[in-house]
Parts: sequence; C-alpha cells; structure tokens
Amino acid sequence: GAVVSQHPSWVICKSGTSVKIECRSLDFQATTMFWYRQFPKQSLMLMATSNEGSKATYEQGVEKDKFLINHASLTLSTLTVTSAHPEDSSFYICSARGGLEQFFGPGTRLTVL
Amino acid sequence: GNSVTQMEGPVTLSEEAFLTINCTYTATGYPSLFWYVQYPGEGLQLLLKATKADDKGSNKGFEATYRKETTSFHLEKGSVQVSDSAVYFCARSGSSNTGNQFYFGTGTSLTVIP
Repeated sequence: GAVVSQHPSWVICKSGTSVKIECRSLDFQATTMFWYRQFPKQSLMLMATSNEGSKATYEQGVEKDKFLINHASLTLSTLTVTSAHPEDSSFYICSARGGLEQFFGPGTRLTVL
Repeated sequence: GNSVTQMEGPVTLSEEAFLTINCTYTATGYPSLFWYVQYPGEGLQLLLKATKADDKGSNKGFEATYRKETTSFHLEKGSVQVSDSAVYFCARSGSSNTGNQFYFGTGTSLTVIP
C-alpha cells in the first residue's frame, strides 16, 4: 500500500522556538494532504487541508499564523509550529489522499518545554 | 450533518472473547467507511474498509459490514488476542465539497487481557 512518512517522529523544543514537521508521500503524488492533531486519549482533530500550489484551508479555531503549512510539491507538505508553547504539545499526524483512501503518516510527537 | 459516532470505551476483554464496537454515521450521499487502528505510540493504520452498501470489509479476523439502512459499520472479531489491544477509530469519507476530508469517531480503546 501507499506510504506516508513524517519527520521527525518526535521533537522536544523550548518555549518560543519554531518547529517544522515534514510529511511526505513516498510512492504516490498527493495534491491534497491533511494535518491532524491528537490529544492524549482523544480522536483526531483536523487542523487544515494542505493543497499543492495554493494556500492551506484551516479549520475554524486553528490559527493560520501559528501553524504555517506549505505544500511545495506533490509529495511534500510541511507544518511549522511557530513560537511554540507548552499547550502546543501534542501528537501531529498528516495524511495524504490517494484515490478513495487516506494514508496516514506515523505521527510526530511534539513536546514543548 | 456529517458525523461519526462510535461506542465509547474503554473496552476490556479476556483473550478469545467476542468483540463488537458499534459505529454509526450521518452523511449526505454514500460515503466510504473505514476502520483504523492505532497501536500505542504509533500513527493510524487502515484496518478495513467498505465503499458501498452491503460491502463487508475484513482483515486480520476483523469484519465490518456497510449497512445503509441502519447507517452503521460495526466492527466485530470472533476471538480477540492480546495483540489486538489498541484504539480503534471509525471513519467516513467526505465529499468533494468538503475537501475530501475524513470524519473520525472519538475512538474506542480496547484492552485484551490474557
């Protein structure tokens, strides 16, 4: 099946710094990728839809200036958490649409100290 | 509306017990339905899917049947194993006017004890 990778798998940073998370579709092209956030023992919350070559579409309540999304190519989308704070600590998961399915990355655990 | 409702957990079963996790959905049209599994510390993996009414998805002993009349997609397994301990998410596909995003249930945590 299709593979989606994320890098890094985990990151620890200091409060106030920015962190970039990469999402790659390894064996297919994805015009649309999705970024989710998952809090402990909760479901996935869609943050934004990343569209190749255009601006991302953010869900209500998600700050676009804080969570910068860039979909520079058909195989790469990046999420940058700017000026991270402890409340941004979470599990971030991306997915890429291939046909009818969505293929999920393994997730990135962000811890902000 | 567009939503997925699944049975709240946590669920604790003994090994070889029968498992059912209920899932119902609301949608306009006929979405595809999915069950994803998330093992501790990992991302989501597709467990099974069904793309039209009366389809049965199956994998690793798990099954779910797309029931249009009851808008349900309940997950079942006849004999669970300790290795099935994970969180299970029911999901449905969106439509083109919603960006083809997926809608997830809240997840059901399953613990299987020896």
